[in-house]
Amino acid sequence: KQEVTQIPAALSVPEGENLVLNCSFTDSAIYNLQWFRQDPGKGLTSLLLIQSSQREQTSGRLNASLDKSSGRSTLYIAASQPGDSATYLCAVKLDTGFQKLVFGTGTRLLVSP
Amino acid sequence: GAGVSQSPRYKVAKRGQDVALRCDPISGHVSLFWYQQALGQGPEFLTYFQNEAQLDKSGLPSDRFFAERPEGSVSTLKIQRTQQEDSAVYLCASSLEPFGRGGGETQYFGPGTRLLVL
Repeated sequence: KQEVTQIPAALSVPEGENLVLNCSFTDSAIYNLQWFRQDPGKGLTSLLLIQSSQREQTSGRLNASLDKSSGRSTLYIAASQPGDSATYLCAVKLDTGFQKLVFGTGTRLLVSP
Repeated sequence: GAGVSQSPRYKVAKRGQDVALRCDPISGHVSLFWYQQALGQGPEFLTYFQNEAQLDKSGLPSDRFFAERPEGSVSTLKIQRTQQEDSAVYLCASSLEPFGRGGGETQYFGPGTRLLVL
């Protein structure tokens, strides 16, 4: 059974810092991996999607990498801002059977001014 | 345009009551998903519809959970005889394309229904 773990569970940083969020998964048979953002009381918003054949994706200040063989992904946020405060979730899409998304437990990020 | 909407946003139920949670997906979206998110956890897949067909319900925790999408648009998740462990946020998501290899990658999530069972 695929299990997805995110470390750290919570992170508090001052504005301007660069930071790294980690995601690990137990089964390397994935179709792709996504990073989502969840704001309190709101749904999830997709930030980046990395296909299993790709190594990284970039969008603005965000960069996500994928090492499928080792079962790891990182989300790098450059020059963090208070508006980045949210919970960040990674999710893998299974490559077998019904390809449901399996989510990690999330990292709660607080960026203080 | 309008996104995915869910109602009610909050629901308090006494243990043993039946509840019905509604999801209005984005118009024209083929795929619809239900997820359960317990406090401090990531969402867990419950069930998937492609139009009106329920193609996967492997995530439904028990036979007390039932979902339908009779006309291929609005969906209802029903929980019978609610238990305290059913307390969670129930998220609905829709996608334009059928879900599968190379399809339905972009899921648009609703704000969720927070269910509290006392």
